[in-house]
Amino acid sequence: QITLKESGPTLVKPTQTLTLTCTVSGFSLSTSGVGVGWIRQPPGKALEWLAFIYWDDDKRYSPSLKSRLTITKDTSKNQVVLTMSNVDPVDTATYFCAHRGLDSNYDSVPFDYWGQGTLVTVSS
Amino acid sequence: DIQMTQSPSTLSASVGDRVTITCRASQSISSWLAWYQQKPGKAPKLLIYKASSLQSGVPSRFSGSGSETEFTLTISSLQPADFATYYCQQYNGYSWTFGQGTKVEVK
Repeated sequence: QITLKESGPTLVKPTQTLTLTCTVSGFSLSTSGVGVGWIRQPPGKALEWLAFIYWDDDKRYSPSLKSRLTITKDTSKNQVVLTMSNVDPVDTATYFCAHRGLDSNYDSVPFDYWGQGTLVTVSS
Repeated sequence: DIQMTQSPSTLSASVGDRVTITCRASQSISSWLAWYQQKPGKAPKLLIYKASSLQSGVPSRFSGSGSETEFTLTISSLQPADFATYYCQQYNGYSWTFGQGTKVEVK
């Protein structure tokens, strides 16, 4: 059974760096084809993709946030970490991590399993 | 960046109605299009991937079609559990972009 769980601070001050951890179970971060993405959703607004890391450590970032984001993984700890620098109140959102896998035809299955999300508020 | 535009933003419908939501990509994405359903306070749920492949466990009243830049999600007979917000998403392996969402509400 694949599960993901986000953890991190609930309140961060403006200009600080936010660090979020996604702890996964039921799959290995080193399995070929696997990936984990981070997505956020401001209150009452749409989903926004932030970053993605593949099993081979290839990384992708949202162009609009690339300069502020870093995604890493620790396969031994089954964790994917997202850091966001210089946060602002507009970064207040629920942050989700999600699993990407492959189907029986080896086609990409995007974000088939999600964590419950963690609400992060940016405020002084 | 690839932009995804959904229409309508809100849709009012009744149980039993046939519902169609449209998603347009700003450039060709082949068939790399997914649809998600989200209910308040919950994580999104994958319904459709590769434009028309039904995710395991999803009822067959949900279907997807389209390619390149034009895609649709159809619910053949709306059920009470289907009142929710729906998002399309392109995924080309280099970036992932969501549409702005379509809220399906009770008429």
